[in-house]
Amino acid sequence: GENVEQHPSTLSVQEGDSAVIKCTYSDSASNYFPWYKQELGKRPQLIIDIRSNVGEKKDQRIAVTLNKTAKHFSLHITETQPEDSAVYFCAATPNYGGATNKLIFGTGTLLAVQP
Amino acid sequence: GAVVSQHPSWVICKSGTSVKIECRSLDFQATTMFWYRQFPKQSLMLMATSNEGSKATYEQGVEKDKFLINHASLTLSTLTVTSAHPEDSSFYICSARPTGLNEKLFFGSGTQLSVL
Repeated sequence: GENVEQHPSTLSVQEGDSAVIKCTYSDSASNYFPWYKQELGKRPQLIIDIRSNVGEKKDQRIAVTLNKTAKHFSLHITETQPEDSAVYFCAATPNYGGATNKLIFGTGTLLAVQP
Repeated sequence: GAVVSQHPSWVICKSGTSVKIECRSLDFQATTMFWYRQFPKQSLMLMATSNEGSKATYEQGVEKDKFLINHASLTLSTLTVTSAHPEDSSFYICSARPTGLNEKLFFGSGTQLSVL
C-alpha cells in the first residue's frame, strides 16, 4: 500500500519568510496529491492539490511542485503570515479508477510563523 | 458547496457504552465516505471506507465488530464505537467524496470522543 513521509515535523519561520514542506510517496500509481491545512481542533481544509500530469501549480502565495520520477512533492508558502500557522498534511491517492480511492496522509508539519 | 456535517462534535461516555457518530454530506451525494482517527499531534489514520448500500472496507488492524459502519443513504454514514473503552478516546473525523469524482475529499468537523 501507499506510504507517505513528510518533513519536517515542525517548522518555525519569521513572518514574511518562505516555508517549504516536503513529502515522498511510495506507490507509483498515486496520481493525486492534495495538501490540507488543519488548525487546532478543526477539520482539515484543502488548500491546494496537484495531479500527476502537472509539475507545478500555484495559487497566490501557495505553490506545489511534483517530481514523479523521484516520487516527491513539496508545498511552498511565500510571504508567510501569522494566520498561516497550523498543521499541514500532504496526502497521496493511488487512483485505480474508482470512487473508493483512498487518501493516505503524511505525518504532518506544525508550521509556526513568528510575528 | 461541498459541506460535510458531523455530529456530535464532542461526546463523553462511560466505559462499556456505545457511541454513534453521524456524517452527512449536505449539498452533494457521496457514494463513498471515509472514516479517520486522529490522536493528538498525530496524522489522520484511515480506519475504513464506507460504501453506500454495501459493507464497509476496513483497514488492517481495525476491528470491524468494534467500529460499526453503516452507509444507508447517499448522504449519511454512521460510525458506532461499540463497548467503548478509554483507549478508544480519540478525534474521529469523516470525509466524503462527491459521487462521480475520484479525487477530492471534503472533511467533517470531527468528533472528540472521551471514554471515562
